[in-house]
Formats: sequence, C-alpha cells, structure tokens
Amino acid sequence: DTGVSQDPRHKITKRGQNVTFRCDPISEHNRLYWYRQTLGQGPEFLTYFQNEAQLEKSRLLSDRFSAERPKGSFSTLEIQRTEQGDSAMYLCASSSRDGSSYEQYFGPGTRLTVT
Amino acid sequence: AQTVTQSQPEMSVQEAETVTLSCTYDTSESDYYLFWYKQPPSRQMILVIRQEAYKQQNATENRFSVNFQKAAKSFSLKISDSQLGDAAMYFCALQGGSEKLVFGKGTKLTVNP
Repeated sequence: DTGVSQDPRHKITKRGQNVTFRCDPISEHNRLYWYRQTLGQGPEFLTYFQNEAQLEKSRLLSDRFSAERPKGSFSTLEIQRTEQGDSAMYLCASSSRDGSSYEQYFGPGTRLTVT
Repeated sequence: AQTVTQSQPEMSVQEAETVTLSCTYDTSESDYYLFWYKQPPSRQMILVIRQEAYKQQNATENRFSVNFQKAAKSFSLKISDSQLGDAAMYFCALQGGSEKLVFGKGTKLTVNP
C-alpha cells in the first residue's frame, strides 16, 4: 500500500492556460475525493467519485473545472482558462467503507500557482 | 448547511504538557462523524482520531482523546504528553448526510521544547 499519490506536486502556470492534475488512490479504494485548500483555510470539497461515477459536485466547481475518473482508477482534475483565484493546494483523498463511515486518506496535494 | 468552527487560530504548549483544541459544529443530520486531522508543514494530512455521533463514549488513540459533547455540538481534542512532532495544523472535520468532509479553518499548534 503506497498511499494516495498526486502529480505534479507543484505547478506554475500563466493566467488563461489550462492545467491538469492526476490522483492515484489507494488501490482497493473505490471512492475518490477532490478538495481545494487556500492559504490559512481548511480544505473545501470539490467533488467525489464512487468508482467511475461522479456522485456529488460542489458549487465551487465552476464550468472551468472538470474531473474524471475513467475505469474507476486514477482521476484527473482539469482547470481551463486559469485565473489567479485558482491558486491553491488541490488535495485528493480516497476511501472505502469502514463500518458506516468513509475514512478518507489524503495525498500530498498539488500546489497550483497562477501568475 | 453544515459548519465547523475552530475558534483558536493558534495554540502553543510546552513539551510533555497537555493541550486542548476546541471545535464546535452545526448539522441537522442525526447520523454523522467527526474527525481531527493533522497537517504537518509541507506534509500531507493524516487522520488523528474519529468519533461516531451515535457513540457516547469518547474516542481515544494513544495520547490523543476527544471530549464529545453532542448536545452542545462540541468536539475538542486533547493531546497529552505533547511531543515536538505534534507541531502542525489541526483541522476538525464533519461528515454527515454526504460523504464529503466539512473542515474548520484549523488551529496551528506550536510545541515548545
């Protein structure tokens, strides 16, 4: 078990460019979550998948954001036409059912800086 | 809407002493879970302890324990025998009615040698 991995760890991009992040969950976990964390704040939920199905999306996930999880394995989060306000740490987490809760294990995050 | 409030932006403790971090929450769900996560500087978030709302007994994990007051919607974390490695941001989180976690803004804990 290698834990949740994310790639890249850091990304610097110019405003208006598109960026894509990847998350590889713990292998036996069927649930995958994306969160965004800005400086001085706690993580905010963006979206989550059960297998390949996207079950919930936050209103924070504007039309410029899209997430996929083909084949229910890794997931990608794409941001189109980046804005300076998109600068944040993007966290991925995965889980499987543990009793009646879903204990989430987090990856190291991708830090995005939009210049 | 569910909310989590951590009223202490920063706390400090002497090594080997005990510190308590506060958290209050609000939810209309009857079935929910509460968590404390630790985020060391430049490192990933890890789960410290969790509490099921239907359980009256407070959760404990080694030096970490919680004081869960359901009626008051309070969920504090006590760290005993503090160690230098406990220095981190601590986030209280709520999960109820949905699988998403709702986090507070965090408390930065400093451990002084």
